[in-house]
Amino acid sequence: EDQVTQSPEALRLQEGESSSLNCSYTVSGLRGLFWYRQDPGKGPEFLFTLYSAGEEKEKERLKATLTKKESFLHITAPKPEDSATYLCAVPAAGNKLTFGGGTRVLVKP
Amino acid sequence: DTAVSQTPKYLVTQMGNDKSIKCEQNLGHDTMYWYKQDSKKFLKIMFSYNNKELIINETVPNRFSPKSPDKAHLNLHINSLELGDSAVYFCASSQVSGGYNEQFFGPGTRLTVL
Repeated sequence: EDQVTQSPEALRLQEGESSSLNCSYTVSGLRGLFWYRQDPGKGPEFLFTLYSAGEEKEKERLKATLTKKESFLHITAPKPEDSATYLCAVPAAGNKLTFGGGTRVLVKP
Repeated sequence: DTAVSQTPKYLVTQMGNDKSIKCEQNLGHDTMYWYKQDSKKFLKIMFSYNNKELIINETVPNRFSPKSPDKAHLNLHINSLELGDSAVYFCASSQVSGGYNEQFFGPGTRLTVL
């Protein structure tokens, strides 16, 4: 069975303090890896899809990278509006997503 | 121009009651899903439908019955509600034909069973 583990569970950053979130996965065959952002009281918002090791995607202050065993979400010079829970997920047969537990990021001004 | 919408946003009810949650997507996707997010914020798949056909049915009590009248709608009916059913339920959709594509989520329905 696919497993996804995210670390750390929570991250407190000062505005401008860059950091990275980790997503480790164990799957029978990687069909892709998704990153989502979830704000309190809202549904997950799609950020990136990565399909193969070595792939990178960027959006504003966020950059996602993928290796054969893990993915990283780098947040460069974060702002308070980057505060959210970041989720990663892998698809299995039938396209069902297995999610990690998420990393709650709080960026203080 | 909401992509995936759910109603109601909040649902408060007594144990033993029956309730339904509705979901609609206007993205033209062929597959829709129900996920449950518990108090620890863990998101877990419950069901998925592809072109109105049930594809995924995880180990969910049979008090939960999804129904897809067409590929743009997926409803969730819950019988004999229990305290443990309290959670946030998310609907999602994606285009599966052509590969493993990202899923788009609705705003969620917070169910509270008293």
